[in-house]
Amino acid sequence: EADIYQTPRYLVIGTGKKITLECSQTMGHDKMYWYQQDPGMELHLIHYSYGVNSTEKGDLSSESTVSRIRTEHFPLTLESARPSHTSQYLCASSEGVKLFFGSGTQLSVL
Amino acid sequence: GNSVTQMEGPVTLSEEAFLTINCTYTATGYPSLFWYVQYPGEGLQLLLKATKADDKGSNKGFEATYRKETTSFHLEKGSVQVSDSAVYFCALSDQGGSEKLVFGKGTKLTVNP
Repeated sequence: EADIYQTPRYLVIGTGKKITLECSQTMGHDKMYWYQQDPGMELHLIHYSYGVNSTEKGDLSSESTVSRIRTEHFPLTLESARPSHTSQYLCASSEGVKLFFGSGTQLSVL
Repeated sequence: GNSVTQMEGPVTLSEEAFLTINCTYTATGYPSLFWYVQYPGEGLQLLLKATKADDKGSNKGFEATYRKETTSFHLEKGSVQVSDSAVYFCALSDQGGSEKLVFGKGTKLTVNP
């Protein structure tokens, strides 16, 4: 049902590398979100966007950055990955009060 | 601020058992309430929702009733199946209909044959 895609599905990378997690949706939704999911399953909102050229920090402070140049695309970037960034990252878009989630990117930083 | 507290897991049940996962919330105003489900290796999916007091959300045999007097939105299913094994998240959105949801910590359910 959901037309929201995240790549890569899994990423293992060394400390200090720059990475970009991709998120795209084909539903034309203006609002998009990035959540970080810790091993205990809890979800934390780290970024959101209400439309093109709109980005806001979420409830949990994150060293990552996001951009929203096109409606369908909401990439997340870490300039210098660290082991503390190891986590599951979930992208979502919304229509009304309903969120649509991608399958997530499991990031492991060695 | 708004918050959601849900029953800690993990929960392990046998097939056809009755399921209850408790969820209570703290919020100003009249939030909308949701249950999301995350199957292994997947993102979250909306399971059901309720937007005002006494509303009952239902889907796939799951039900939850918005109880303002007890600030609760407990998830129930009369007879679980192995395919219901997943992590369940209770969530709320604020009165203004913002799609910035506040999630509970999740409850992992395992159903054994």
